[in-house]
Amino acid sequence: NAGVTQTPKFQVLKTGQSMTLQCAQDMNHEYMSWYRQDPGMGLRLIHYSVGAGITDQGEVPNGYNVSRSTTEDFPLRLLSAAPSQTSVYFCASTAGAGYTFGSGTRLTVV
Amino acid sequence: TQLLEQSPQFLSIQEGENLTVYCNSSSVFSSLQWYRQEPGEGPVLLVTVVTGGEVKKLKRLTFQFGDARKDSSLHITAAQPGDTGLYLCAVPPGGSARQLTFGSGTQLTVLP
Repeated sequence: NAGVTQTPKFQVLKTGQSMTLQCAQDMNHEYMSWYRQDPGMGLRLIHYSVGAGITDQGEVPNGYNVSRSTTEDFPLRLLSAAPSQTSVYFCASTAGAGYTFGSGTRLTVV
Repeated sequence: TQLLEQSPQFLSIQEGENLTVYCNSSSVFSSLQWYRQEPGEGPVLLVTVVTGGEVKKLKRLTFQFGDARKDSSLHITAAQPGDTGLYLCAVPPGGSARQLTFGSGTQLTVLP
C-alpha cells in the first residue's frame, strides 16, 4: 500500500545512546517532515526537507539531525538521547494538498 | 502562546449527540486543515478549507472556516463511537501549505 512507512514502532533507549528513526514514502512527494507529539502540546515540527539534498530546522530541532539523500527516505537521528526526547515521533510527506503521516515511533529514553 | 487554540481540550458524549469543536487564532491564514488521529496511528487528513466563510461537509461532519479566516469549527451530527479520536487543526503560518503548525487538539470520546 502506498504511504509513509516508519520503523521501528517502539524503542527504548538509555540516556546517551544514539539511534536512527527510519522513514520512507513511495508517493514521490518532494516535501517530508518530522514531528514529535507530546501530551497537551500537539505536533511540533523538528526538521523538514523540500527535496533531496535540502533540509531545514523546524520549531524544536535541538538534539536531532536529518539528511535527505533520496526522495523516498528521510531518517531522523538522535546522537545522544536524553529523557526529554521521550515522545511519539511522526514522519509525514506531502505534495502540497495535505500531509500523509506514518503510524509513528514511540520512543522512551530512560 | 500557541498559534492555534483548540477547545474544548476533552469532550465525552453519548452516541447520537451532536457536538462542535473549535479552532481559534488571532492570525489570518490562507487555509486551514482538519485531521483526525486514532490511538496508535498518525493523523489522517479530513478536509482543507481555503475561502473565508467556506463550509464543507464530510458525511456527518461539517467544517466551517471563519469569514475572517482566523478560526474554524467542526460540527458532528449524531456522533458514533467510530468518531472517537483526537481532532487536530493545522495551518500554514508562512503561507506554504507544506509547512504546518498544529493545534493541541480536542480528544473526543463517543460512548455507546
